[in-house]
Amino acid sequence: DIQLTQSPSFLSASVGDRVTLTCRASQGISSYLAWYQQKPEKAPKLLIYAASTLQSGVPSRFSGSASGTEFTLTISSLQPEDFATYYCQHLKSYPPEYTFGQGTKLEIK
Amino acid sequence: EVQLVESGGGLVQPGGPLRLSCAASGFTFSSYVMHWVRQAKGEGLEWVSTIGTAGDPYYPDSVKGRFTISRENARSSLYLQMNSLRAEDTAVYYCVRGGAYRDAFDIWGQGTMVTVSS
Repeated sequence: DIQLTQSPSFLSASVGDRVTLTCRASQGISSYLAWYQQKPEKAPKLLIYAASTLQSGVPSRFSGSASGTEFTLTISSLQPEDFATYYCQHLKSYPPEYTFGQGTKLEIK
Repeated sequence: EVQLVESGGGLVQPGGPLRLSCAASGFTFSSYVMHWVRQAKGEGLEWVSTIGTAGDPYYPDSVKGRFTISRENARSSLYLQMNSLRAEDTAVYYCVRGGAYRDAFDIWGQGTMVTVSS
């Protein structure tokens, strides 16, 4: 089974900072990865799919990239509304199997 | 407006059954793969089940044999029948639409709370 390990688990940053979150897969998963944002007491929101494609309506300060089994989510200039927990997810369709990383909580410094 | 609304959550005793429902609106329900995802309090996200457009179901080992996903396209509704419930099944359960790219989880309901306790 594929395992996804996110780092760091917690990150403190300030408004305006550039931050990078990492998700490492235990084996190759091509670009079959998505990123989600979840705010407290709310449902998650799809940000990025196919490792680097921005979901419609998501601000362009969010970007994703991949290098081998390492995936990154970058927020170019943190806004107050970006403080949340972020999850990566492997999208395995045949047969379906959808593993999530354990999450990175982004907090205000 | 695309919307998913879950219902059916509540308190159930260990070993008991519970059926969750999800009402979809604003899109052609029959054309989409649908998922259930759960989240225990303070924990991460866990995929629970998926149903294809043809009604083909898929489950992780943690719920296989206990949970059954189904859909009723005429009513734009998704269901999750949960049997032999355990304390570790306590969580918020989300109904989720599978999007165009490998059924990525693009639209989420607000969630319904399931508590398994005596």
